[in-house]
Amino acid sequence: DADVTQTPRNRITKTGKRIMLECSQTKGHDRMYWYRQDPGLGLRLIYYSFDVKDINKGEISDGYSVSRQAQAKFSLSLESAIPNQTALYFCATSDAGPRGLETQYFGPGTRLLVL
Amino acid sequence: GENVEQHPSTLSVQEGDSAVIKCTYSDSASNYFPWYKQELGKGPQLIIDIRSNVGEKKDQRIAVTLNKTAKHFSLHITETQPEDSAVYFCAAPAKGGGNKLTFGTGTQLKVEL
Repeated sequence: DADVTQTPRNRITKTGKRIMLECSQTKGHDRMYWYRQDPGLGLRLIYYSFDVKDINKGEISDGYSVSRQAQAKFSLSLESAIPNQTALYFCATSDAGPRGLETQYFGPGTRLLVL
Repeated sequence: GENVEQHPSTLSVQEGDSAVIKCTYSDSASNYFPWYKQELGKGPQLIIDIRSNVGEKKDQRIAVTLNKTAKHFSLHITETQPEDSAVYFCAAPAKGGGNKLTFGTGTQLKVEL
């Protein structure tokens, strides 16, 4: 979905390096999420944010941190990258609608390789 | 928290045949079950969802059924076409609410000519 962009699309880094993955959205959504996708494990939630002042850990937050710089921007950092953080990373957004559970819109993903 | 299991992990069908993917969930209070399709090189995209007040929902060639008693829901694709080849994920609300989802492990569907 072009409304949710991620940079970079591909990244190779070395063990111990700090890297940042960035996500921007033009959908005007308050809620943003970071997921990690591994073969056979599906999508797992790393961190999520329901507004600019709200940051919450997901099920696999160890080794990661996030920053919500604005409503439209949510970045994910790997403080000291390790090989088992090699994965496909997705950012997603959703509205906070009256139904309580709204569609999540995903970015195109960032493929990260940690050597 | 919610636990979602998805089967099969891979599915190969002939063009024109039907495909069925099944998921089970653990939290009887769950009330929303979306299905996402992920094409190669892209992020997942919602294709259909169902809420617990209905047992079935259809949208052209795709349908989702829900059995709350057994705590399972299924995606049905009829008259499959090559463009249906993708990875499909089911999901259910994660513990703590707030629009968080727990995803299944995915099904790689291949539609063969």
